[in-house]
Amino acid sequence: KNQVEQSPQSLIILEGKNCTLQCNYTVSPFSNLRWYKQDTGRGPVSLTIMTFSENTKSNGRYTATLDADTKQSSLHITASQLSDSASYICVVAGTYKYIFGTGTRLKVLA
Amino acid sequence: SAVISQKPSRDICQRGTSLTIQCQVDSQVTMMFWYRQQPGQSLTLIATANQGSEATYESGFVIDKFPISRPNLTFSTLTVSNMSPEDSSIYLCSVGDGEKLFFGSGTQLSVL
Repeated sequence: KNQVEQSPQSLIILEGKNCTLQCNYTVSPFSNLRWYKQDTGRGPVSLTIMTFSENTKSNGRYTATLDADTKQSSLHITASQLSDSASYICVVAGTYKYIFGTGTRLKVLA
Repeated sequence: SAVISQKPSRDICQRGTSLTIQCQVDSQVTMMFWYRQQPGQSLTLIATANQGSEATYESGFVIDKFPISRPNLTFSTLTVSNMSPEDSSIYLCSVGDGEKLFFGSGTQLSVL
């Protein structure tokens, strides 16, 4: 069964700290993996997209990694800011399908 | 990138009524999708809106409840029919070109 699991479900950190969010998937065939940021009441916004051959991709303070062998990805946020408070969703694209993870709710405190 | 305008952004509706959500894209796109995001949940695909033909619905979603129109390559509507409180969700329009996937800002629907 095609599934995308994210952990932790929620996370609270202090401003300026780093954090890492995890995504494990069982989607096959695999096309690409994306990380999205979703602010409350808004649609998801793309952070990164990685294909099978890419191990790391950065977008500012966001760095995503992909291990296609173990079917794991992580999103690392450096020097967190209050505006990073949001849900982060891992999405794996298969053949004509996008499988969404349940997301990690991140709260950054001052 | 594609810019997606989705309307309305939110609405409060009475049980038994219907609401039509509009999605306008600033460029022609092949694939348009409609998603539902229930409170605290991830996104669930309702259907793929096909231009010139009937939408393709996912398991658990039917045309009578969620009729979809796609008159051209830049516009689509989703209607939530005969609403009940269980339909309270965020509804999202999305477009994709195979590699990129973009989302509208969503319609927050509350059914009383």
